[in-house]
Amino acid sequence: AQKITQTQPGMFVQEKEAVTLDCTYDTSDPSYGLFWYKQPSSGEMIFLIYQGSYDQQNATEGRYSLNFQKARKSANLVISASQLGDSAMYFCAMRELSGNTPLVFGKGTRLSVIA
Amino acid sequence: SAVISQKPSRDICQRGTSLTIQCQVDSQVTMMFWYRQQPGQSLTLIATANQGSEATYESGFVIDKFPISRPNLTFSTLTVSNMSPEDSSIYLCSVGTGGGGGYGYTFGSGTRLTVV
Repeated sequence: AQKITQTQPGMFVQEKEAVTLDCTYDTSDPSYGLFWYKQPSSGEMIFLIYQGSYDQQNATEGRYSLNFQKARKSANLVISASQLGDSAMYFCAMRELSGNTPLVFGKGTRLSVIA
Repeated sequence: SAVISQKPSRDICQRGTSLTIQCQVDSQVTMMFWYRQQPGQSLTLIATANQGSEATYESGFVIDKFPISRPNLTFSTLTVSNMSPEDSSIYLCSVGTGGGGGYGYTFGSGTRLTVV
């Protein structure tokens, strides 16, 4: 069975600094996808970045990058040059790619950016 | 990726009543997923809705409490029945369109339900 672990309930970061949000995962399927979502107080789920298990390079999307360490089963999100608007809940999620399966989510990390 | 219109965005309901949440997708999708997010918690999958067949429910969720309809490939409803304050949550629908970065997973904007 799939499992996602986010061990940081809350994080603080100074504006313009970089921050790393931790995520580890467990699966027996060799083919899987890892996702990060941002959820502001409005409740919507905003897709940030995706990493496939067979991707050779770490994914990047603007200020977001994913530090994928397959052997350690970790998929940490790095946000560079933090902005006040980055304050939100961040969820790591995964799905096994065999079939049309739903996403499984971690418990989330609440990020607060301080001016 | 697909665009989902979810209604209502929020509601305050009396205990013992039912609320039906609708999700309309702008393209045909095979699977739709319904999630619940209790206050301060993560997303928990309620059920998977496949067009033309009964929904598949996760452990802890039953059809009598959360009936789901999937009449076609672009629409689904979730009903929260006989509500109690413990049902106060955000409910979200999601689809996976199988293409693009992130395999095209998209979420509706969510329904914030408060039961009084």
